[in-house]
Amino acid sequence: DQQVKQNSPSLSVQEGRISILNCDYTNSMFDYFLWYKKYPAEGPTFLISISSIKDKNEDGRFTVFLNKSAKHLSLHIVPSQPGDSAVYFCAASAEGTYKYIFGTGTRLKVLA
Amino acid sequence: DADVTQTPRNRITKTGKRIMLECSQTKGHDRMYWYRQDPGLGLRLIYYSFDVKDINKGEISDGYSVSRQAQAKFSLSLESAIPNQTALYFCATSDSRELNSPLHFGNGTRLTVT
Repeated sequence: DQQVKQNSPSLSVQEGRISILNCDYTNSMFDYFLWYKKYPAEGPTFLISISSIKDKNEDGRFTVFLNKSAKHLSLHIVPSQPGDSAVYFCAASAEGTYKYIFGTGTRLKVLA
Repeated sequence: DADVTQTPRNRITKTGKRIMLECSQTKGHDRMYWYRQDPGLGLRLIYYSFDVKDINKGEISDGYSVSRQAQAKFSLSLESAIPNQTALYFCATSDSRELNSPLHFGNGTRLTVT
């Protein structure tokens, strides 16, 4: 049973436009959510996170939105840059478990 | 993340062989994790450890074992490798001193079992 789902395997966006990556989860005990970026031949790199007490967290060009009632989170990248081309994973953790469950990833391609 | 070092970076082995993947970290974190990445399946948790005397199974621990030799070292073993264990393996750490601590990953070990 996939507790964290990323239903779009890939996404292409024009440089300068907004990239929106989506993630759904099924476990209502999840209270901490993270986004990672992964380049080929490297490990995943932490990008941004959000706690369930918030509905938005912003860091530069990256904003994560959390909709708890819909069990949905999204990552917005504005403006998108060619260097943002990578695989993006969302992850979630339930309070006190310190165990992180990952989605299957979305490959973002930003076209110059 | 150079503070989390995985060795080897690449390994090819034959079915039935025992193999060990090693992970060491200089971040001073107490929590360590092993994940595997497969195309279309994302990252799946194999084992995790919150300190030297604490080892926990993850989502897919069958066929694997781990050893936490010290706070900084966490190794993953395949006792008898099989082809469907061909994957990219990642070690990660997190810090219990932070309320919500993200995972910090190594650069991975690409394992091929023939």
